Amino acid sequence: EDKVVQSPLSLVVHEGDTVTLNCSYEVTNFRSLLWYKQEKKAPTFLFMLTSSGIEKKSGRLSSILDKKELFSILNITATQTGDSAIYLCAVGSGGSNYKLTFGKGTLLTVNP
Amino acid sequence: DTAVSQTPKYLVTQMGNDKSIKCEQNLGHDTMYWYKQDSKKFLKIMFSYNNKELIINETVPNRFSPKSPDKAHLNLHINSLELGDSAVYFCASSPDSGQGPALHFGNGTRLTVT
Repeated sequence: EDKVVQSPLSLVVHEGDTVTLNCSYEVTNFRSLLWYKQEKKAPTFLFMLTSSGIEKKSGRLSSILDKKELFSILNITATQTGDSAIYLCAVGSGGSNYKLTFGKGTLLTVNP
Repeated sequence: DTAVSQTPKYLVTQMGNDKSIKCEQNLGHDTMYWYKQDSKKFLKIMFSYNNKELIINETVPNRFSPKSPDKAHLNLHINSLELGDSAVYFCASSPDSGQGPALHFGNGTRLTVT
């Protein structure tokens, strides 16, 4: 069975801190690793990673994938209160039966 | 707006009732999904459909029956509702091609069974 494990499960930091969120996985027929941010409603897409060692960056957020060691990290620098959310790691697998398998998420709380 | 839209947003009902949740996407995607998010925020796939054909049917009770009248719609009907069905149900869609691909989620339907 496909498995995605995120750590830590929750994290409380102060504004301005840098955080690193971890995601490890075991899946068959890997296609991609995705990060989503969930606030009150739908998960919103952040990054998709398919190749090892290539950093994806968007503003203060960045992510990298290691396909040999089967993990990814999501970094957030200079955190702001608006970064408070659940960060979900998901792995895309399968061909015609493609699906995303999600981890349990990291609840990030950024205090002023 | 291009989006995945679900109705209703909230659904409160009693045990034993039958209810439906509707989902529509206007992104032109071929694949649609239903995910269930429990009280601990864990998202788990229930079903996927590709162009009206059932592709994934995870271990879900037979009381849950998806129906796809066309590739832009995927509805979820639930019979004989139980307390444990209380959760947020998300519809999603994805294109067939491309690396990945990413799923686009609706805003969810919060189902409360009393």
